[in-house]
Amino acid sequence: EAGVAQSPRYKIIEKRQSVAFWCNPISGHATLYWYQQILGQGPKLLIQFQNNGVVDDSQLPKDRFSAERLKGVDSTLKIQPAKLEDSAVYLCASSAQLLGKFNYGYTFGSGTRLTVV
Amino acid sequence: QQPVQSPQAVILREGEDAVINCSSSKALYSVHWYRQKHGEAPVFLMILLKGGEQKGHEKISASFNEKKQQSSLYLTASQLSYSGTYFCGTVGRGSTLGRLYFGRGTQLTVWP
Repeated sequence: EAGVAQSPRYKIIEKRQSVAFWCNPISGHATLYWYQQILGQGPKLLIQFQNNGVVDDSQLPKDRFSAERLKGVDSTLKIQPAKLEDSAVYLCASSAQLLGKFNYGYTFGSGTRLTVV
Repeated sequence: QQPVQSPQAVILREGEDAVINCSSSKALYSVHWYRQKHGEAPVFLMILLKGGEQKGHEKISASFNEKKQQSSLYLTASQLSYSGTYFCGTVGRGSTLGRLYFGRGTQLTVWP
């Protein structure tokens, strides 16, 4: 079974620039997540999709972050404009989990390491 | 609602045992455990859904005390490959969205 694919692997940008990350989840997984992991901390949920609908974006800084999941498969996370504090690893994960049925683990991609200078 | 993990770091010799604890201030629906090696993605180890449940994965097992809102991960006869950061994640009971909150992690180092 293919894993969760993410690109790019690394990205260095200057503050106030924009950046986009791409994720392709495991085939058949309805739920897709974007997490932010700051060095030395656990992953923090940014947004959760079920199929192509947003389930939870309460922790997404909507003034600068946006995400979409077209056709319920691939997803893109964008930051515009970036700030220094956005430097982190951005992890995409997918799961067979559905609303009301939280019995499944998550499969994470390798992440994109973003450095904002 | 972030769970608290302890200890923050553990250093072991190969063959020794370790216990990592995870506790929450909220009632829990489930507990997840993940291992993350440096520069890699977190890897799912197991999920515990019921109070009193215990699960095993080779020499790694876990328990879930629903009443105390705690879970423990047991690593027996540790191997070099067990090195990494272990995260617990919790889903609160009554959660409608199933949001998973991760702890800050426990860094495990196994020396030969």
